[in-house]
Amino acid sequence: AQTVTQSQPEMSVQEAETVTLSCTYDTSESDYYLFWYKQPPSRQMILVIRQEAYKQQNATENRFSVNFQKAAKSFSLKISDSQLGDAAMYFCALIGERVYGGSQGNLIFGKGTKLSVKP
Amino acid sequence: SQTIHQWPATLVQPVGSPLSLECTVEGTSNPNLYWYRQAAGRGLQLLFYSVGIGQISSEVPQNLSASRPQDRQFILSSKKLLLSDSGFYLCAWSRPGGNTIYFGEGSWLTVV
Repeated sequence: AQTVTQSQPEMSVQEAETVTLSCTYDTSESDYYLFWYKQPPSRQMILVIRQEAYKQQNATENRFSVNFQKAAKSFSLKISDSQLGDAAMYFCALIGERVYGGSQGNLIFGKGTKLSVKP
Repeated sequence: SQTIHQWPATLVQPVGSPLSLECTVEGTSNPNLYWYRQAAGRGLQLLFYSVGIGQISSEVPQNLSASRPQDRQFILSSKKLLLSDSGFYLCAWSRPGGNTIYFGEGSWLTVV
């Protein structure tokens, strides 16, 4: 079975500072993908960043970057220069090996971390 | 660019009434389509996925059904809603053979 664990139910950061959200996972798949999604109060699930497990280089997207430690099965998200608009629930997610014809969509989600940004 | 829309955004329905949530994707062909549900304070649960017209796979047996009458249209339905069907429903898509899933705006369903 695949699991995703986010051990921080809530986090807080001062505007313009840096915060790191933790995520650990477990999977027996050799090929998988990891994601961070953001869910603001509007509830739309927005893709923040993704990481292919076969790539050693950590993914970055502007102010967002990950620290992917494959052996430790750790996938943390770092938000630099935090902005008020970053306040949201953040979900770490995992999807296993691709099935021919497309993904079966069985994203495994963590329980989320609620991030507050203080002005 | 690809976009996904779902509606209605908010729905309040009495127990026993039918349900229809609709989702369309633009800017891509033959997408994989998904319906997820998010209960309060929890992560997402995959309900249905489809890799083509008329091809529906159910992940969780329940009071709901899904249909894909057109390539880029995905519908979530119920003949008789239960209180336990209340929640936030998200339609999503991915490219054929892709593993990145993109979500729509979501629909709040309250069954009263």
